[in-house]
Amino acid sequence: GEKVEQHQSTLSVREGDSAVINCTYTDTASSYFPWYKQEAGKSLHFVIDIRSNVDRKQSQRLTVLLDKKAKRFSLHITATQPEDSAIYFCAAGPDTNAYKVIFGKGTHLHVLP
Amino acid sequence: EAAVTQSPRNKVAVTGGKVTLSCNQTNNHNNMYWYRQDTGHGLRLIHYSYGAGSTEKGDIPDGYKASRPSQENFSLILELATPSQTSVYFCASGDVGTGNTLYFGEGSRLIVV
Repeated sequence: GEKVEQHQSTLSVREGDSAVINCTYTDTASSYFPWYKQEAGKSLHFVIDIRSNVDRKQSQRLTVLLDKKAKRFSLHITATQPEDSAIYFCAAGPDTNAYKVIFGKGTHLHVLP
Repeated sequence: EAAVTQSPRNKVAVTGGKVTLSCNQTNNHNNMYWYRQDTGHGLRLIHYSYGAGSTEKGDIPDGYKASRPSQENFSLILELATPSQTSVYFCASGDVGTGNTLYFGEGSRLIVV
């Protein structure tokens, strides 16, 4: 089955700098790659996703890059703000069956003043 | 705004006791999911459902049952709770029509002593 690795358990950046969170996956059949954000003590909410028909997707300060050959995808956050501090989960799986989407272990992003 | 609510939010149970975690969604989504979140493991799928009357095993179903009596409600049942089931449990709903984005509840923190 699919395995998703998030290589950074924590990441600290200065406010205003960029942050990059990296993930890898194992199943070449995966075609859907969502990202979720969990603020301290709160639930998860969706932030952005990318599907395998494109290699880049941007939404405001967030950009997701997908390298299918390397089975790697990443979340780029520009001009980080204190409210970006959270745990970010990447996930991967088929586009048609959400129950097969596998989550990474999460990266705790700290935006330092 | 999508709404998924869970109860109870916090629960202390004794080993061997029965625990029921409830989830209600007002999104009219067909699919509902139960995950548990543990440090070092991220989110893992326990059970899911395609609609009223259906329950399916996820990746870690042992020790858990699920019930979906209606479109809106999905319960997770621990018949004989064990300390290893101490965790934070998240319910989510989603649908193909929403691009398989998951909408999570606030979480239920369970401690089994």
